[in-house]
Amino acid sequence: AQSVTQPDIHITVSEGASLELRCNYSYGATPYLFWYVQSPGQGLQLLLKYFSGDTLVQGIKGFEAEFKRSQSSFNLRKPSVHWSDAAEYFCAVEYGNKLVFGAGTILRVKS
Amino acid sequence: SQTIHQWPATLVQPVGSPLSLECTVEGTSNPNLYWYRQAAGRGLQLLFYSVGIGQISSEVPQNLSASRPQDRQFILSSKKLLLSDSGFYLCAVIRLQAGEQYFGPGTRLTVT
Repeated sequence: AQSVTQPDIHITVSEGASLELRCNYSYGATPYLFWYVQSPGQGLQLLLKYFSGDTLVQGIKGFEAEFKRSQSSFNLRKPSVHWSDAAEYFCAVEYGNKLVFGAGTILRVKS
Repeated sequence: SQTIHQWPATLVQPVGSPLSLECTVEGTSNPNLYWYRQAAGRGLQLLFYSVGIGQISSEVPQNLSASRPQDRQFILSSKKLLLSDSGFYLCAVIRLQAGEQYFGPGTRLTVT
């Protein structure tokens, strides 16, 4: 069965440090890939998406993600984290008629 | 642009009671409709989706059901709620292969 794995439930980084959130998926073909962010009490906001082409995609708020077919991964990165980035992040994969989300990673930013 | 309405916004129901959550969509026709549940530590769990009137695909076997009586109406139901049904229920419109997803405001369900 198709699945999306975000292996880190919680991550804590210092403000100004770099960030990488991991996402792995299981699917035979190259799916459409997404990263969302959800701040406390807020809805989902799309950060970026990958369909095809350049495997490094740029998103909003200074985020980027790299698709690696050989590793079935789509990791989210940011070179310098701001306190306002503290939120929950979801990786999502579109398979056929479905959009499947990972369990999420909660990012904490310490000053 | 499309708008997704969900009601009620919050709901507190006792165990064993029935449930009906409604989602309606404006601004598009023949949308692909989805029900998700968000619970702490589990992300967004896909429950049901529908690609047309009367067409329902179930992703999670449980005591919930869904129906699509009209093109832009999607209903989530249960005959007898369980404590584990508590969560935040989101209705979504997804334009497949376009990277467009629209989520409703959600319904917070607490089963007591």
